[in-house]
Amino acid sequence: EPEVTQTPSHQVTQMGQEVILRCVPISNHLYFYWYRQILGQKVEFLVSFYNNEISEKSEIFDDQFSVERPDGSNFTLKIRSTKLEDSAMYFCASRIYNEQFFGPGTRLTVL
Amino acid sequence: GIQVEQSPPDLILQEGANSTLRCNFSDSVNNLQWFHQNPWGQLINLFYIPSGTKQNGRLSATTVATERYSLLYISSSQTTDSGVYFCAVEILGGGATNKLIFGTGTLLAVQP
Repeated sequence: EPEVTQTPSHQVTQMGQEVILRCVPISNHLYFYWYRQILGQKVEFLVSFYNNEISEKSEIFDDQFSVERPDGSNFTLKIRSTKLEDSAMYFCASRIYNEQFFGPGTRLTVL
Repeated sequence: GIQVEQSPPDLILQEGANSTLRCNFSDSVNNLQWFHQNPWGQLINLFYIPSGTKQNGRLSATTVATERYSLLYISSSQTTDSGVYFCAVEILGGGATNKLIFGTGTLLAVQP
């Protein structure tokens, strides 16, 4: 069964460094999402992406964040200058109809 | 914005017991999904259930959209059922983005 994949599974970085989180959505899906979950909290929407552009972003998704679909398969989330509070699990999701399918997540630790 | 509340917040069961988890939402929704977050942090799709009842093995779910709630039933619980259960809703009229708003979660621990 097709699934969403994410790499790396765990990333440790120093405050102020740039990180790129990568996702490969399910191949025929058209809508792509990033969510994050701070430890012990609920999952929060960051951004949605459709037809090669952002369709909605949350208040969390400030100028430090960007998304890109550089080719037909990858979907990336870049954090330009990481802060301690960016430490969280980041989930990629995709959908074609109504149900969203989530990847296994990337645990980002900012030191 | 829409509020998505889950109850109970925590639940401890003995293996073999049954349980019901509840999700209440404060506004009309297009879609509702249930997820299981396992101890490794992965979100596993359980049900896509905007209305009606579905069953998958020992799990079943019912959504009554007109009354703004959904229930997840776990029967004959196993230790592997442990983790956090989230419901997530998509707001009616929320536009093409169809973002999911997650509930507060129920932490389930099944003891052998």
